[in-house]
Amino acid sequence: ETGVTQTPRHLVMGMTNKKSLKCEQHLGHNAMYWYKQSAKKPLELMFVYNFKEQTENNSVPSRFSPECPNSSHLFLHLHTLQPEDSALYLCASSYGYEQYFGPGTRLTVT
Amino acid sequence: ILNVEQSPQSLHVQEGDSTNFTCSFPSSNFYALHWYRWETAKSPEALFVMTLNGDEKKKGRISATLNTKEGYSYLYIKGSQPEDSATYLCATHSGAGSYQLTFGKGTKLSVIP
Repeated sequence: ETGVTQTPRHLVMGMTNKKSLKCEQHLGHNAMYWYKQSAKKPLELMFVYNFKEQTENNSVPSRFSPECPNSSHLFLHLHTLQPEDSALYLCASSYGYEQYFGPGTRLTVT
Repeated sequence: ILNVEQSPQSLHVQEGDSTNFTCSFPSSNFYALHWYRWETAKSPEALFVMTLNGDEKKKGRISATLNTKEGYSYLYIKGSQPEDSATYLCATHSGAGSYQLTFGKGTKLSVIP
């Protein structure tokens, strides 16, 4: 275990559902990240939070809504997703620029 | 080179063989290069972070080199073992003030017993 946990590990949701992904880190890091990995594509950064403040949003559609209530927890709220949003969603945290990853949530949108 | 590119995309080697793969990146605006090892269903695990031209890092049978002037890094595995089977990711970091890592697609290594 890297100290970064993600729940759930697998999620199947319909396009009209609302669900949330959770990430938790116990490493004392100040920054947290959401990444998306689609088939045959590199990891794509979605959001960055530093000391609970969002510092980067890489043109992510509003159907993805992040929330960072404190430096240890990060959520990704999902609503009215599309089938093309099916992917592996990875969370990471860092103190400096070396990032530590969770195992990801495999999301399937039906 | 505009993006981080890794080659080959995948390779199969026999147990005991040594192997290497390449990460190419834009040499301008470079701050650091990261190598990660990612086993299926697990978390990507950091192997190396390198910043200086000519840097060489080693961890057990795995080593890496960095050439920032020409924009490439090599990862070497000596005497491959089945447990080395994983996807190896390369990522670049563009600046001290930025949190953004730009990843390549990875090289998937399969070591055949």
